[in-house]
Amino acid sequence: EVQLVESGGALVKPGGSLRLSCEASGFTFSRHTIHWVRQAPGKGLEWVACISSSGTRSYYADSVKGRFTISRDNAKNSLFLQMNSLRVEDGAVYYCARDTSSWAPRLDWWGQGTLVTVSS
Amino acid sequence: EIVLTQSPATLSLSPGERATLSCRASQSVTSSYLAWYQQKPGQSPRLLIYGASNRATDIPDRFSGSVSGTDFTLTISRLEPEDFAVYYCQQYGGSPLYTFGQGIKLEIK
Repeated sequence: EVQLVESGGALVKPGGSLRLSCEASGFTFSRHTIHWVRQAPGKGLEWVACISSSGTRSYYADSVKGRFTISRDNAKNSLFLQMNSLRVEDGAVYYCARDTSSWAPRLDWWGQGTLVTVSS
Repeated sequence: EIVLTQSPATLSLSPGERATLSCRASQSVTSSYLAWYQQKPGQSPRLLIYGASNRATDIPDRFSGSVSGTDFTLTISRLEPEDFAVYYCQQYGGSPLYTFGQGIKLEIK
């Protein structure tokens, strides 16, 4: 069974840093683009970033560009999100999600999410 | 930037009724690149529809998707109690690479 398990969420002060992880199992991790999507409390979904299957290409939302870095370790079936210069508005549940990487891109499996709170 | 506008914000219906949820794109979106998700309270989103009209694995056939120009529609033919949730449309390929609509809350009347 496909599983994505996020970890690393915590309470952090504005301006601080945090590194999220997502551990994948049940599928060939190295064949899929993987995404981070976040959801602030009581709000909608916001796409954050994604990284290609090989890790050579990454894309970011404008709201996090220059502050967040997505990376992966295919040998360890793991995805990461390094978050620097955190702002109050970055507080959210962060989900990792698998992309089918097909003719119709879509996020077909999601993790349970990890909560990031940015507050002084 | 492609903006997806979903309407109505809240839809109040009874079990057994038909639900029609709208997602309008601010510019042309390739039909293959439009998906719908369902999210229940405290749960992760679940893929319902991809390529505008294709049901994802294990999604009941009461869920269907359609498109007309830049207007995408998710229809639930006969609402079951478990269908009351928030629904998001999502597009791929614009800038930013992925965009979600703001969501539609489907609530029990």
